[in-house]
Amino acid sequence: DADVTQTPRNRITKTGKRIMLECSQTKGHDRMYWYRQDPGLGLRLIYYSFDVKDINKGEISDGYSVSRQAQAKFSLSLESAIPNQTALYFCATSDFTSRETQYFGPGTRLLVL
Amino acid sequence: SQQGEEDPQALSIQEGENATMNCSYKTSINNLQWYRQNSGRGLVHLILIRSNEREKHSGRLRVTLDTSKKSSSLLITASRAADTASYFCATVFSSNTGKLIFGQGTTLQVKP
Repeated sequence: DADVTQTPRNRITKTGKRIMLECSQTKGHDRMYWYRQDPGLGLRLIYYSFDVKDINKGEISDGYSVSRQAQAKFSLSLESAIPNQTALYFCATSDFTSRETQYFGPGTRLLVL
Repeated sequence: SQQGEEDPQALSIQEGENATMNCSYKTSINNLQWYRQNSGRGLVHLILIRSNEREKHSGRLRVTLDTSKKSSSLLITASRAADTASYFCATVFSSNTGKLIFGQGTTLQVKP
C-alpha cells in the first residue's frame, strides 16, 4: 500500500551495528505497528503505538526499541544488531474507527552479517 | 506464542480449481481476518469475520468461522494464476487493542 512507506527497502549490516528502520504513513491513522517475518513463522509483533505518547511492547521486543516521532512516523531501532535479527520487517497502521484492519508497508529486508 | 495454525502449509492447484485453506486458533477471539502476501511484499487485507458470524463472502472469497471448533476456512473459487500468494489468518482478541496474532500461512500456487 503506497500510503505506508518504509525505508530502507533493503539493508545489510554487521553484527553490533546500530540501525534504524523508518515507517511513514499518509493515511492519517493513529495506530502503528512493527512486525518481523521469518520463514515458516508468520508475522510476530515487535512494538505497537496507539498515539504519539503511547508505546507498547509486542511478543518479541527484546533487542529492539521504537520511537513515535509524530502521528505519521514510527521508527524501529536495533541497538546492536545480531544475525538472528535477519528478517523481513513490516510496518502497519490502523485507524481507531476500523482498528481491526491493518494496512501494511512494503517491508524492509534486513541482513545482519 | 502464535495463535493460529494453518493447514495446509502449501497448496498447488490448476487455474479454475477451488482452493481451500484452514486456520485453527487456541483462544476466544473478537474477530478473525485473512490477509494475502505476494512474494516478499506487504500483506493485504482480504476479509474480516466477526465472532458472531458464521460465513462471509467477498467476490470469489468465502470465509467460514466455527467458534466451537476454533477454526476458520478460506475458500477461493475459480482460482487464477494471480491468486498465487501466501495467505495468513490473523486473530484479534480485543477490539480495544487491535493486536493481530498471525498464523504461519499457507502458500498457494495456481498453475496456468
